[in-house]
Amino acid sequence: DAKTTQPTSMDCAEGRAANLPCNHSTISGNEYVYWYRQIHSQGPQYIIHGLKNNETNEMASLIITEDRKSSTLILPHATLRDTAVYYCIVRVGGGTSYGKLTFGQGTILTVHP
Amino acid sequence: NAGVTQTPKFRVLKTGQSMTLLCAQDMNHEYMYWYRQDPGMGLRLIHYSVGEGTTAKGEVPDGYNVSRLKKQNFLLGLESAAPSQTSVYFCASSYRRLAGDEQFFGPGTRLTVL
Repeated sequence: DAKTTQPTSMDCAEGRAANLPCNHSTISGNEYVYWYRQIHSQGPQYIIHGLKNNETNEMASLIITEDRKSSTLILPHATLRDTAVYYCIVRVGGGTSYGKLTFGQGTILTVHP
Repeated sequence: NAGVTQTPKFRVLKTGQSMTLLCAQDMNHEYMYWYRQDPGMGLRLIHYSVGEGTTAKGEVPDGYNVSRLKKQNFLLGLESAAPSQTSVYFCASSYRRLAGDEQFFGPGTRLTVL
């Protein structure tokens, strides 16, 4: 699976959009970009994933560059409850491959009042 | 629908003792996983299962055994606990999908080995 690079920490004001970048320059054509987050002391929570098109769900939007070497997770209106460690993970999709997730250090997002 | 549950939530063991962690899911998922998370680090995969009766090693399997006798349950065993196994253990499950899969995680088991 491709390696990812994320900033160690980021801050965001409550109510503003939080844009979390991820670099995955060695991504392969069959690898998906996944985002998970972990709120303190809880199990990780799935946010979103995508292959090459931009994706949106009720939690966030995922913007993947055309060359797929980087992506941005967007939380449109951050709240204090969005304070967490955010993990960008790149791996082959499902099907015959098991769903091993390789968690790096992630980005600590702190949302301020 | 309880999702993924883990038993127990906390446990303190002495070196050399044994214990079993239980993970249960009610979503009829094919895949199940055990991860461990040490302070300040990301999760690391211990063992996983792609279906009832099957298990396989992850990246840090030494010192652990697993069993999946029923589709909804995945057990993690420590035969002889060591202080290095002090960690938070997370179980997860997912469907088998072609277009990427979402893993659902349990709340974790905090294990201390003295």
